[in-house]
Amino acid sequence: EDQVTQSPEALRLQEGESSSLNCSYTVSGLRGLFWYRQDPGKGPEFLFTLYSAGEEKEKERLKATLTKKESFLHITAPKPEDSATYLCAVQVNNNNDMRFGAGTRLTVKP
Amino acid sequence: EAGVTQFPSHSVIEKGQTVTLRCDPISGHDNLYWYRRVMGKEIKFLLHFVKESKQDESGMPNNRFLAERTGGTYSTLKVQPAELEDSGVYFCASSQGVHYGYTFGSGTRLTVV
Repeated sequence: EDQVTQSPEALRLQEGESSSLNCSYTVSGLRGLFWYRQDPGKGPEFLFTLYSAGEEKEKERLKATLTKKESFLHITAPKPEDSATYLCAVQVNNNNDMRFGAGTRLTVKP
Repeated sequence: EAGVTQFPSHSVIEKGQTVTLRCDPISGHDNLYWYRRVMGKEIKFLLHFVKESKQDESGMPNNRFLAERTGGTYSTLKVQPAELEDSGVYFCASSQGVHYGYTFGSGTRLTVV
């Protein structure tokens, strides 16, 4: 069965303290891996799509990378406004839906 | 560009009642999805429309749930009769296509008491 596991469940950082979030997946055929950011009371906000191992995408302080088994979301010098839940989702071949992980709740303290 | 709009934002109903959720996707997005998150669990797929046609409804939990997208514009999700386990946040998303990220609405928080 297709599975997406995110770790850690929660992460507390000091402002400026870089770290990484992990998304490991077991799927029958990966079409794409997505990262989303979700703020309380809001829907997920699209960040990146990665399609193949070795691919990297960057946006401001965020960089997403992909291997054959997992993806990392690297956060460089985070700021308090980066606090949110970060969700990973995979889309598999012959399927139109996305399977989400449970998310990592990130808190950045000033 | 207007985003995906969902309403109501909150709904509290009694067990056995009927509730209808509405989603207005981004104009021009043929793909419309319904997802839901129940307490403590991850977001799960319910169904996918391409224009007015149901492309995939494998995630619909049972026949108490009925989704429609008349005319290929807005969509409704009706729960009839509602049960306690239907409580959660229902998200709608739209997309131009598989290579584009989905744009989600803010969700409807449904509480069945």
